[in-house]
Amino acid sequence: GDSVTQMEGPVTLSEEAFLTINCTYTATGYPSLFWYVQYPGEGLQLLLKATKADDKGSNKGFEATYRKETTSFHLEKGSVQVSDSAVYFCALRDTSGTYKYIFGTGTRLKVLA
Amino acid sequence: NAGVTQTPKFQVLKTGQSMTLQCAQDMNHNSMYWYRQDPGMGLRLIYYSASEGTTDKGEVPNGYNVSRLNKREFSLRLESAAPSQTSVYFCASVAWTGSNSPLHFGNGTRLTVT
Repeated sequence: GDSVTQMEGPVTLSEEAFLTINCTYTATGYPSLFWYVQYPGEGLQLLLKATKADDKGSNKGFEATYRKETTSFHLEKGSVQVSDSAVYFCALRDTSGTYKYIFGTGTRLKVLA
Repeated sequence: NAGVTQTPKFQVLKTGQSMTLQCAQDMNHNSMYWYRQDPGMGLRLIYYSASEGTTDKGEVPNGYNVSRLNKREFSLRLESAAPSQTSVYFCASVAWTGSNSPLHFGNGTRLTVT
């Protein structure tokens, strides 16, 4: 079945540093890909998405490009802020016809002032 | 807009007790999901409902039952709680399962079973 693998955390950065969180996927078809963010005590919120190869999703300074050749959807931000501290989840919509959404294990980001 | 509302926010149960987690959405979505979140495990799908009147098992359905009460509401029941069911439970919805739309999540129910 389809699956998502993302880098383990925690990731600790200083404010204004460059962020990359790696995400790779396994799928037989062409899944839609998502990044979600979870702040403490809250549910997951959509950060960005991409639905086909070479699409770039972007939101709040975060970007991710759907790379079919490397089956990757890495999350990047040029200059992180303390307020970006959260857990980030990569996810895909299953392509096998079951319409499930599959999530990675999450990467905790801590940004220090 | 309320979006997806879950109740209760916190619950402590003793082993063997039962309870129902409630979820309601006001976005006229057809499909609803229940996930559990455990440290290091990410989100695992318990059950989902593609449309009113249908439910299907996910990755970890054992020990749980669900009811799609109507289009708005999708409840999760633990008949005899076990410590292994200590987790944070999230309900989510999407317009319909065939879309490429993202899931919309509630804020979760934090359950502790002692």
